[in-house]
Amino acid sequence: GAGVSQSPSNKVTEKGKDVELRCDPISGHTALYWYRQSLGQGLEFLIYFQGNSAPDKSGLPSDRFSAERTGGSVSTLTIQRTQQEDSAVYLCASSLVRGLTVETQYFGPGTRLLVL
Amino acid sequence: AQSVTQLGSHVSVSEGALVLLRCNYSSSVPPYLFWYVQYPNQGLQLLLKYTTGATLVKGINGFEAEFKKSETSFHLTKPSAHMSDAAEYFCAINSGYALNFGKGTSLLVTP
Repeated sequence: GAGVSQSPSNKVTEKGKDVELRCDPISGHTALYWYRQSLGQGLEFLIYFQGNSAPDKSGLPSDRFSAERTGGSVSTLTIQRTQQEDSAVYLCASSLVRGLTVETQYFGPGTRLLVL
Repeated sequence: AQSVTQLGSHVSVSEGALVLLRCNYSSSVPPYLFWYVQYPNQGLQLLLKYTTGATLVKGINGFEAEFKKSETSFHLTKPSAHMSDAAEYFCAINSGYALNFGKGTSLLVTP
C-alpha cells in the first residue's frame, strides 16, 4: 500500500516568510509524528498526534512552530517568520494507535526546507 | 529520558566483510530499540526492532541485532557487506511518545 507522503519535497523561502509543510500518513494510522533532521542537531522530535489531538508538543522549538491535524489524517506543520536556523529536513512518520506497546513508526521522504 | 549513543560517525568496510555498527542505550525502563537506514535524499526505513522476547532480532537485507541488557547494547551486524548497504544508519529508542535517535553512522562500502 501507499506509504507516508510529504509535500513539497523541497521548499526554498526567504527569511521572515511563513511556510506550510504537509504530511499524508498511511491509511488507518491514527498516530502521526513530526521530526526535524539537521546537520547540527541530528533527528529531533517535534510533535505527536493521536487522532486530531496533540498530547505531546514538547519538541516544538518555539512559538513560531505550530501543527494541526484534521480528520485524523492529513497534518500540516506551519513555521511562521522563518529563520535561517529553521533550514532542515522535516520528516513525518505515522503508526498504528499507541496502546500498551510501542508501534513501529513509518517515515515519509521528508521536506527539505532552505531559508535564505 | 531514554537515549542512545552510536559509536563511530563513519565506518568503512570492504565489500564482503562483516558490518558492525555500535549502539549503546540508556533507559530507566525496559527499552524498545530500533535500527533505521536512510539512503541519500530519502526518508528512514526500518531495518529491525526489539520489543520483548528473543534478544537476537533479524531484520531486512540480512541485518540482525542482539539486545544485551548486561552491556546496554544493541549492535547491528551483517555477515557480508554489499555495495548497496552504503547509507546512514540510525539507532533509536522509545522515549514517551517519541523516538530518540542516535547521531547516526555513515557506512561506506569499498570494492
